[in-house]
Amino acid sequence: EAGVTQFPSHSVIEKGQTVTLRCDPISGHDNLYWYRRVMGKEIKFLLHFVKESKQDESGMPNNRFLAERTGGTYSTLKVQPAELEDSGVYFCASSQRGQGTYEQYFGPGTRLTVT
Amino acid sequence: RKEVEQDPGPFNVPEGATVAFNCTYSNSASQSFFWYRQDCRKEPKLLMSVYSSGNEDGRFTAQLNRASQYISLLIRDSKLSDSATYLCVVGSGGYNKLIFGAGTRLAVHP
Repeated sequence: EAGVTQFPSHSVIEKGQTVTLRCDPISGHDNLYWYRRVMGKEIKFLLHFVKESKQDESGMPNNRFLAERTGGTYSTLKVQPAELEDSGVYFCASSQRGQGTYEQYFGPGTRLTVT
Repeated sequence: RKEVEQDPGPFNVPEGATVAFNCTYSNSASQSFFWYRQDCRKEPKLLMSVYSSGNEDGRFTAQLNRASQYISLLIRDSKLSDSATYLCVVGSGGYNKLIFGAGTRLAVHP
């Protein structure tokens, strides 16, 4: 079974540009999460989808970040316009449907560098 | 105060040693607990969930003390391949938003 995949693996953009990150969860996983690790800090939660619905977006830094999950399959995270402090590694994770202590499985991450 | 606090590390141990990592969490309503392992420039990989009764998986033993809000991980007979950063992770809310500790670096040497 394929794991969580993310694209691209690396992205280098200039301040003010737009970048879109993509995540494909494990097949059949209704829960999809985005996390971010900035340099020197711990991994932080950004938001959570259940199928196509945003369940919790309390971790989104500001309105320059837009996440979508049309059709409840893959998700995109757009940063527009990018700022220097957006640099970091963006991880996507997925887990089985429903509430409870379902374990989350992480993708390899997208390393974003804003110059 | 951070929501999840871990030993700062790094831990440098010889092969075969036993090493223990500790972690405390601040939210008494937390419902799920995990140890993840992260290799350099890789994604976190689930090592084990932690249950109230304690659980063991081969050389790894995890303990949870809800009263003290304390989680531990014991690694016996350390291998070179155990070298990594170990992340203490707490699930929050019904849908298990994960709260990560900063991680403890383990280096096992020959």
